Amino acid sequence: DAGVTQSPTHLIKTRGQQVTLRCSPKSGHDTVSWYQQALGQGPQFIFQYYEEEERQRGNFPDRFSGHQFPNYSSELNVNALLLGDSALYLCASSLDRYNEQFFGPGTRLTVL
Amino acid sequence: QQQVKQSPQSLIVQKGGIPIINCAYENTAFDYFPWYQQFPGKGPALLIAIRPDVSEKKEGRFTISFNKSAKQFSLHIMDSQPGDSATYFCAASMNTGFQKLVFGTGTRLLVSP
Repeated sequence: DAGVTQSPTHLIKTRGQQVTLRCSPKSGHDTVSWYQQALGQGPQFIFQYYEEEERQRGNFPDRFSGHQFPNYSSELNVNALLLGDSALYLCASSLDRYNEQFFGPGTRLTVL
Repeated sequence: QQQVKQSPQSLIVQKGGIPIINCAYENTAFDYFPWYQQFPGKGPALLIAIRPDVSEKKEGRFTISFNKSAKQFSLHIMDSQPGDSATYFCAASMNTGFQKLVFGTGTRLLVSP
């Protein structure tokens, strides 16, 4: 049984560009959450998707947006990239909004 | 009030030692306290979790101690092994219909052979 998968593994962008990160949840899971983990820090909650809707959002600007598809996979989009957006972006899936979250390996985004 | 404070930032113990990592929180609405282990290049993996209605929980070599009145909880790793060398994060969340995890800043543990 495949766990949470994320693509790409690494990504390099320049300031002002846009990026899309992808996540496939663990089999049977219907809820996806996204976290940003800066170097040497703990993950910070960006938002969560359930039933194809954003259910809750952390303290992130509107440049961060997302989407959940009918097959429960999800995308994270970041517009107008800033140097400070460089981080590991983690996707976590769960069986509904109440249960344990399982994390993927993350996408390492570097903004130059 | 949404913060979870974690200490120490780093920890070195010898094989067989018992590293202890501490966390404190302010928001009394938190009611789920998981600990995650993260190896380089990997996402965090759930180790053990506790709810505030119990003061201690053990799973294998990992133990959580929880002090509700002090708003503190800690992770103990019994008989630590070099393979336990990783970064450990405490976290907390509220039962508001989802798990919006609030993470501590992490503790880098090194277990020397």
